[in-house]
Amino acid sequence: DTGVSQDPRHKITKRGQNVTFRCDPISEHNRLYWYRQTLGQGPEFLTYFQNEAQLEKSRLLSDRFSAERPKGSFSTLEIQRTEQGDSAMYLCASSPTGNTEAFFGQGTRLTVV
Amino acid sequence: GQNIDQPTEMTATEGAIVQINCTYQTSGFNGLFWYQQHAGEAPTFLSYNVLDGLEEKGRFSSFLSRSKGYSYLLLKELQMKDSASYLCAVRDEYYTDKLIFGTGTRLQVFP
Repeated sequence: DTGVSQDPRHKITKRGQNVTFRCDPISEHNRLYWYRQTLGQGPEFLTYFQNEAQLEKSRLLSDRFSAERPKGSFSTLEIQRTEQGDSAMYLCASSPTGNTEAFFGQGTRLTVV
Repeated sequence: GQNIDQPTEMTATEGAIVQINCTYQTSGFNGLFWYQQHAGEAPTFLSYNVLDGLEEKGRFSSFLSRSKGYSYLLLKELQMKDSASYLCAVRDEYYTDKLIFGTGTRLQVFP
């Protein structure tokens, strides 16, 4: 097990395009989280799943954002009609339960031009 | 509201000791985490405190005072590789599993 894996590592897209990121959590971790991090800031919570159920969504997650975790394994985060303000590092994390530390992936750096 | 404060930047010398402070004001509390993040890399877990007191793990120690809404991370015998950002994060009990992060403290270690 090599940890949390995210794909792609980098994505450059034109404003208005849709993008999708993938996260593969550590095996048997039933909790999966998405965070967004901009330069010089700490990560901001977006959403989290317990197995396939999406239990909480931040108000930061506008209707252009959608996340799924089919079958409770990998997860995808889609951003529709990207805007320049969406440029950030999108981090995925997983944990085995709710009372332990979360393990983060390397992130997907999105640049909207 | 939710607020976590930590210094933006700190500098220290190789071999020295440095203390990074974190104060928090959250609607609930269910644990405080410290993460290390090197530039362009993922945050990695350092420590977790849920009860008052000191937790020691090798060169790193973390302290928590819930009554004061205060924590610190102590790094001993600093090495050049300790140059990184250190993130303080609180789990708010009203928002299960969500971590609220501070902006991070960028530590530079000089020879």
